[in-house]
Amino acid sequence: AQKVTQAQTEISVVEKEDVTLDCVYETRDTTYYLFWYKQPPSGELVFLIRRNSFDEQNEISGRYSWNFQKSTSSFNFTITASQVVDSAVYFCALSERNNFNKFYFGSGTKLNVKP
Amino acid sequence: DVKVTQSSRYLVKRTGEKVFLECVQDMDHENMFWYRQDPGLGLRLIYFSYDVKMKEKGDIPEGYSVSREKKERFSLILESASTNQTSMYLCASSSRDRGKDSGRDTQYFGPGTRLTVL
Repeated sequence: AQKVTQAQTEISVVEKEDVTLDCVYETRDTTYYLFWYKQPPSGELVFLIRRNSFDEQNEISGRYSWNFQKSTSSFNFTITASQVVDSAVYFCALSERNNFNKFYFGSGTKLNVKP
Repeated sequence: DVKVTQSSRYLVKRTGEKVFLECVQDMDHENMFWYRQDPGLGLRLIYFSYDVKMKEKGDIPEGYSVSREKKERFSLILESASTNQTSMYLCASSSRDRGKDSGRDTQYFGPGTRLTVL
């Protein structure tokens, strides 16, 4: 079974629209970490955020916000007022306390922001 | 800033050739990783290393080997390249978490090497 599921393969929006990227995870560990990465067309994965399982507080960073809900095992990512530069593939990832530094990546969501 | 570099952005090799992909990080990270990325499959771990001369198999080690002679450098080796190894290869590094919570350290990625095997 996949530990991290990103059900949205590709999303297209028009600039200035808000968009939410979904991430659902599965783990039996009580201590775990969740991540989001951005992969622009250049190819390099850029770290966006890390969240630990004890901190369900939502986080906002500029136009980016993250909604962590343990009850639904979800860690969704919202971009407000999207811009063309947000076009990229976004990956959600999970690491577990009992599995030394092994990351489980979702299959990614490709976001197309059109002008 | 963490810097992870990879020796080539694009590489074209022929079937049967021995291929070396090099990765260097400048942050004194203990852990280094090699992934391959294929459309629809996301990132899959090939090998990782948690110390010099130490290595662990990931999810898809077949057809690959690795070498870590120095802390900052982690090499991926395709002993005899095959067409099904055409892919994007990504290297990453992270620091080892010495606290009670393992697995929390962020992996920082290099720019990737797009390898084509003809």
